[in-house]
This record gives sequence, C-alpha cells and structure tokens, in this order.
Amino acid sequence: DTEVTQTPKHLVMGMTNKKSLKCEQHMGHRAMYWYKQKAKKPPELMFVYSYEKLSINESVPSRFSPECPNSSLLNLHLHALQPEDSALYLCASSAQRDGGKTQYFGPGTRLLVL
Amino acid sequence: GQNIDQPTEMTATEGAIVQINCTYQTSGFNGLFWYQQHAGEAPTFLSYNVLDGLEEKGRFSSFLSRSKGYSYLLLKELQMKDSASYLCAVVMIKAAGNKLTFGGGTRVLVKP
Repeated sequence: DTEVTQTPKHLVMGMTNKKSLKCEQHMGHRAMYWYKQKAKKPPELMFVYSYEKLSINESVPSRFSPECPNSSLLNLHLHALQPEDSALYLCASSAQRDGGKTQYFGPGTRLLVL
Repeated sequence: GQNIDQPTEMTATEGAIVQINCTYQTSGFNGLFWYQQHAGEAPTFLSYNVLDGLEEKGRFSSFLSRSKGYSYLLLKELQMKDSASYLCAVVMIKAAGNKLTFGGGTRVLVKP
C-alpha cells in the first residue's frame, strides 16, 4: 500500500459549521503534513506531525485544529471558517529512513466555505 | 527566509525538450524536489537532488548546483500528458524537522 487517502473529496460548509478532514496512510510513515493550496498557487505548509506529535505549526489560525490520533491517521478539525479558507487541503506523509524528506501526497479535500 | 523562483508558464511541442529552471535562496538547505501536479490533482513526486549533479530517470532529469542555488528539470520527448504544473520545492532543516517550501510552479503546455 503506497497510498495516502483523504476524505471527504469535496466539502461545502457554512461559517458556523464544525467539520473534520481525515487523512490515512498505511506505509508506516511517521511524519504527516497538512498543506493548503489555493487555485494556481503552490501548496503552503500548515502543520507537521512527527511521531504523532505536532512539530511545526506555520502560524495557522486557531480555527484550524490538527489531531494525530495514531501513526496512520491525521485529522484537521475546522470551526468558524471564513470564505477565504476555501482551498484544496492536501495531506502528505513521509518516512524517516531518508530523513523524512520525500513526501507522498493524498488526493486532497476541496473545501468551499460559504 | 527563503525565496524560490521558477517561470510561470512554458509552452512546447509534442516530442520536443523543455527545461524548467528553479533558483532558490534559503538557509539550512537539505535538498530539492520536483513534483508534477495535474489540475485538480495532488502533487506527485518526480525527483530529489541533494548533491550537485544530474539525476536521470527515464524521460525526466533533474540537475542541482548548490553553490549557485540553481536547479532545473528537463523533460524529454514531450507527450501531451506532460501538460501540468511542475513544482520546485526546497527542504530546509528546522529544529522541529524538515520543512518543504514550494516555488510558485511552472505551468507547461504541450501542443501537438
């Protein structure tokens, strides 16, 4: 299994809703990442988890709350989002054997905030 | 901070060769990636360079010069399916781990 999966594929939510994005990998990778990508822009790093602990938070607003319940799962909890948060949210994972450098991306969740 | 520059768009003909340049200025350099991303899809890994020189993988090659802060991705025998964005990404060493920072991406359009 060399795949990173993400659910849902598409999500529409209002500004008062609470929703969660899910990411899963079974490659034994111990580093997992959340990225945000706006149209025609490169992915921007949001969070990095290493061995289930948050290691990097790129000054992301608190309305985005990451969670890593175990080494295979990564969640992103969303609350009180703004329309400008509409984007493609990408999850990635990497192994530690090469220093955790090569990241494998999931297909993403396309989020629309109304 | 870091600065990663690559051209916004390139157009080439099927069967031709295209070279996408990437220049970077960063501290704590720990390698450079090239990713391919088709519209609406996730980035897929193409190549990784950490030492100077050329890495060849089929129709794709990637080159790195650390002293010049320069890399290129060479696409040979272009096919229509190669129309995509190509992202240059630099790995920086941070105390908390490795951080991957992307350039703006180069949209390549392959014409018949």
